Amino acid sequence: GEQVEQLPSILRVQEGSSASINCSYEDSASNYFPWYKQEPGENPKLIIDIRSNMERKQIQELIVLLDKKAKRFSLHITDTQPGDSAMYFCAANPGYQNFYFGKGTSLTVIP
Amino acid sequence: DPKIIQKPKYLVAVTGSEKILICEQYLGHNAMYWYRQSAKKPLEFMFSYSYQKLMDNQTASSRFQPQSSKKNHLDLQITALKPDDSATYFCASSQDSRAGNTLYFGEGSRLIVV
Repeated sequence: GEQVEQLPSILRVQEGSSASINCSYEDSASNYFPWYKQEPGENPKLIIDIRSNMERKQIQELIVLLDKKAKRFSLHITDTQPGDSAMYFCAANPGYQNFYFGKGTSLTVIP
Repeated sequence: DPKIIQKPKYLVAVTGSEKILICEQYLGHNAMYWYRQSAKKPLEFMFSYSYQKLMDNQTASSRFQPQSSKKNHLDLQITALKPDDSATYFCASSQDSRAGNTLYFGEGSRLIVV
């Protein structure tokens, strides 16, 4: 199956600064890239996604970028707040196949 | 109000025993999945079903058997439990198995094998 690499595994930022998480994938058939946020003891929840026909998508403070040639995509959280502290997972979804997840990034926003 | 119901939420089992994790979704979805999350392997894909048919199985052990009695049900039977099976098991669903459909997770069943 698809392999998704996610870095960094741990990220600490000051409140108000930006946080960036990078993911790469191998299967050129992957054409849908969601991002999930998981708080302790809870299930992963979709926060933003991007499809292969787009290069950039923004929802409020969340920005995702997709570079299909390099097979990389990234999540950028601008003006981070303590409530953004959580685990973040990227995923790649090849057609008619499953969702393959990165190993996660533990984000801590320091007040 | 969760639309993907998993039961039980917490479970302690004895090594060697057998347990069934229940999953029902009320989103009208046609594809259902099981993922396992542990400290060693976050969000590891296990099985996918589409219209009650097995689409993919990436679980090496036959001790894990999915069971789909209805379109909106996908239970997971685990036999001969081992301590290494301790994890949170997430059921998930999407509209169908085509790419680009949002994947929704249930609240998870946390299994501890002693």
